[in-house]
Amino acid sequence: QKEVEQNSGPLSVPEGAIASLNCTYSDRGSQSFFWYRQYSGKSPELIMFIYSNGDKEDGRFTAQLNKASQYVSLLIRDSQPSDSATYLCAVRTHNTDKLIFGTGTRLQVFP
Amino acid sequence: DGGITQSPKYLFRKEGQNVTLSCEQNLNHDAMYWYRQDPGQGLRLIYYSQIVNDFQKGDIAEGYSVSREKKESFPLTVTSAQKNPTAFYLCASSIRGQFRSYEQYFGPGTRLTVT
Repeated sequence: QKEVEQNSGPLSVPEGAIASLNCTYSDRGSQSFFWYRQYSGKSPELIMFIYSNGDKEDGRFTAQLNKASQYVSLLIRDSQPSDSATYLCAVRTHNTDKLIFGTGTRLQVFP
Repeated sequence: DGGITQSPKYLFRKEGQNVTLSCEQNLNHDAMYWYRQDPGQGLRLIYYSQIVNDFQKGDIAEGYSVSREKKESFPLTVTSAQKNPTAFYLCASSIRGQFRSYEQYFGPGTRLTVT
């Protein structure tokens, strides 16, 4: 079992819809959770991070964390074609400085 | 402007040659990291450094070496011992608190091609 799992996609949504991206992790001691957006050929850009159970909202983005079920999700409201990218989930486990990355979900938003 | 710079953006080398990738940050971050990314794969940690003059191996350190002589700089050398060096190399940095590390931010990356 991979430590951090994401569906590779592509996830295709129409413009204006809600895109829902999911990530599961295997280490119950994980403490910090991050979402990065990576455009083709570019480096990852941090867009959200969450440390506590529940929801965290920032503009059109909402991160949701459920530690009991070991999953973290990213919702993108009012999706735009410019949101088309690969979204990487990263998890920091207990007492380490290292992040474990998933392989990413490719999102396509069509007009 | 504060940020992380990596140079060069593209690098081409012949097999058997060592090559050094530059990473500089002016964010006053304590910790710095090197990752490689291959097509269709997630980021894999090569080396990381939490303070000056100290660094630790990541998951795929074989064939790589690093130094951390200054807080701002964390160069990565890809040696001839690295079997598959062609990849996208990413440097990141973060603040490090007493009990936790904070969010990691990435530089623009260096795309290395070895033929």
